Amino acid sequence: EVQLVESGGGLVQPGRSLRLSCAASGFTFSSYSMSWVRLAPGRGLEWVSYISSSGDTTFYADSVRGRFTFSRDNAKNSLYLQMNSLRDEDTAVYYCARKAIPFDYWGQGTLVTVSS
Amino acid sequence: EIVMTQSPATLSVSPGERATLSCRASQSVSSSLAWYQQKPGQAPSLLIYGASTRATGIPARFSGSGSGTEFTLTISSLQSEDFAVYYCQQYNNWPPLTFGGGTKVEIK
Repeated sequence: EVQLVESGGGLVQPGRSLRLSCAASGFTFSSYSMSWVRLAPGRGLEWVSYISSSGDTTFYADSVRGRFTFSRDNAKNSLYLQMNSLRDEDTAVYYCARKAIPFDYWGQGTLVTVSS
Repeated sequence: EIVMTQSPATLSVSPGERATLSCRASQSVSSSLAWYQQKPGQAPSLLIYGASTRATGIPARFSGSGSGTEFTLTISSLQSEDFAVYYCQQYNNWPPLTFGGGTKVEIK
């Protein structure tokens, strides 16, 4: 069974940093590209970032480029989203998702609240 | 960036009735279109990909159609578990991957 479990969310002040993790199991992790997608309060889904199966290619939404860094450790079946210079508008539930075209499995999400 | 527009924003339907949801792309996305369902407090789940192919385990009452810029998700006979928010997403021209704003299907 495919499982994706996010962690690392919480309350953080604007301008500070946070690192999200996603632990994957139930499939050959190193064979799949992965993504982060977020759902902000009162808004729809927004794609945040993509990473290739090897980790050598990443893409970012304009809204996070230069502030967020997406990485993976295939030996640990894990993903990481380093979020720096956080803004109020980054408040959302962050989901890791398998693949990108389309997103075929999703984790349950971790809530990030940016507030002073 | 391809902008995805969903209509209506909210759809009120009685159980057992048919629901038709629309999704429009600002430029052609061919058949590279997916639909997702999201219930409150839950993760989204994949319903349809390739505009019309049901994902594994998705009941036949869900069907997708369209190509180019106009797409439709039809739920033939709404069940209680189908009341949720539905999103379309294009993956023909990316990055960025883009979603529609969602359609909330509520009980009439």
